[in-house]
Amino acid sequence: AQSVTQPDIHITVSEGASLELRCNYSYGATPYLFWYVQSPGQGLQLLLKYFSGDTLVQGIKGFEAEFKRSQSSFNLRKPSVHWSDAAEYFCAVGAASGGYQKVTFGTGTKLQVIP
Amino acid sequence: DTEVTQTPKHLVMGMTNKKSLKCEQHMGHRAMYWYKQKAKKPPELMFVYSYEKLSINESVPSRFSPECPNSSLLNLHLHALQPEDSALYLCASSLKVGGAEFFGPGTRLTVL
Repeated sequence: AQSVTQPDIHITVSEGASLELRCNYSYGATPYLFWYVQSPGQGLQLLLKYFSGDTLVQGIKGFEAEFKRSQSSFNLRKPSVHWSDAAEYFCAVGAASGGYQKVTFGTGTKLQVIP
Repeated sequence: DTEVTQTPKHLVMGMTNKKSLKCEQHMGHRAMYWYKQKAKKPPELMFVYSYEKLSINESVPSRFSPECPNSSLLNLHLHALQPEDSALYLCASSLKVGGAEFFGPGTRLTVL
């Protein structure tokens, strides 16, 4: 079965600083990988996804992520964080299950942005 | 129209009530999902519909009954729920089954 680890429960960065959120996955084949963001009391928004091809994926809101098969990682990055980026971030892995993709979420990383 | 709508936003129900959650999308997506999210936890997949057919049921108790009347609409019928079923219920859709891409804002359910 697939699994996702987000080792950082909580991260604090200064506004304007760069950001990297870590995600490690476990899956025997090539996974589908996702990053979502959730503001308090809201639904999730898909930031970016990786299915195949170029391992550097560009997403919305200036985010990017890099798939590194050798490290089983899919870290999320942003060069300059804005106060509005404060939220919960979930990494997720999709794995084939009976012809469908079953998506498993990591436990999330809460991002705090300080002025 | 690139959104998933969910009604109601909030729902309070007793353990003997029957209620329904509604989800709608008009993006032509053929896969729709129900997720349950407890506070400070990640979403947990409940059901996946593909082309209006139930594709995945993650061993959800029968007191939760999904229904997909057409390609734009997804319902979740609730009956005889328990207080531990209180959570945020999220609906999502994608063009095809390959991971949820668009999420609705959720229905905050409280079972008394």
